[in-house]
Amino acid sequence: GAGVSQSPSNKVTEKGKDVELRCDPISGHTALYWYRQSLGQGLEFLIYFQGNSAPDKSGLPSDRFSAERTGGSVSTLTIQRTQQEDSAVYLCASSFRLAGGPTYEQYFGPGTRLTVT
Amino acid sequence: AQSVTQPDIHITVSEGASLELRCNYSYGATPYLFWYVQSPGQGLQLLLKYFSGDTLVQGIKGFEAEFKRSQSSFNLRKPSVHWSDAAEYFCAVGESARQLTFGSGTQLTVLP
Repeated sequence: GAGVSQSPSNKVTEKGKDVELRCDPISGHTALYWYRQSLGQGLEFLIYFQGNSAPDKSGLPSDRFSAERTGGSVSTLTIQRTQQEDSAVYLCASSFRLAGGPTYEQYFGPGTRLTVT
Repeated sequence: AQSVTQPDIHITVSEGASLELRCNYSYGATPYLFWYVQSPGQGLQLLLKYFSGDTLVQGIKGFEAEFKRSQSSFNLRKPSVHWSDAAEYFCAVGESARQLTFGSGTQLTVLP
């Protein structure tokens, strides 16, 4: 498809388990972002990938959270030893940005709703 | 650090009425400003953006927004609301090289 896709759309897991969330950005987009949206809240920035540069991990809430982006395309967000407070919608976005240039608008996927029981 | 304030958590309007959603930002330089809309169970869709130039920007679905530097505002407007506009609206500010900072959102309810 032409848009950002995320999988799974819903994930229910038990406390303490690890989960992996996947994001397929729009082809050709150089930047990829992960956000977390808790119930009734705005979007909380988690991590940002731009091309081959080192990712900006400044928004990751703890060392249980990690993300990678393979081949400059698909990204996986991993949450280890999940806690109930990790329950949220995880949104991925991608955008096109030339090196040193402005960030163009971000295009969002539909999100993965994570429920930790 | 940049920040965005959307002072109205929830707004209710009647169908056909005009709409204005408020957004105030804090940022040291000229910001990049965005409005997104999120329907239930959906991702965010870009309504409009301001980078530079004309301070009144037109977006999709009949929305417009005006950048007012003196008031640090970027309010979203629509002259006549449709029932399908019911959704949550997010204002965001970004600098050239980093992520967007989002407001906490305004939930819009449209009465028939």
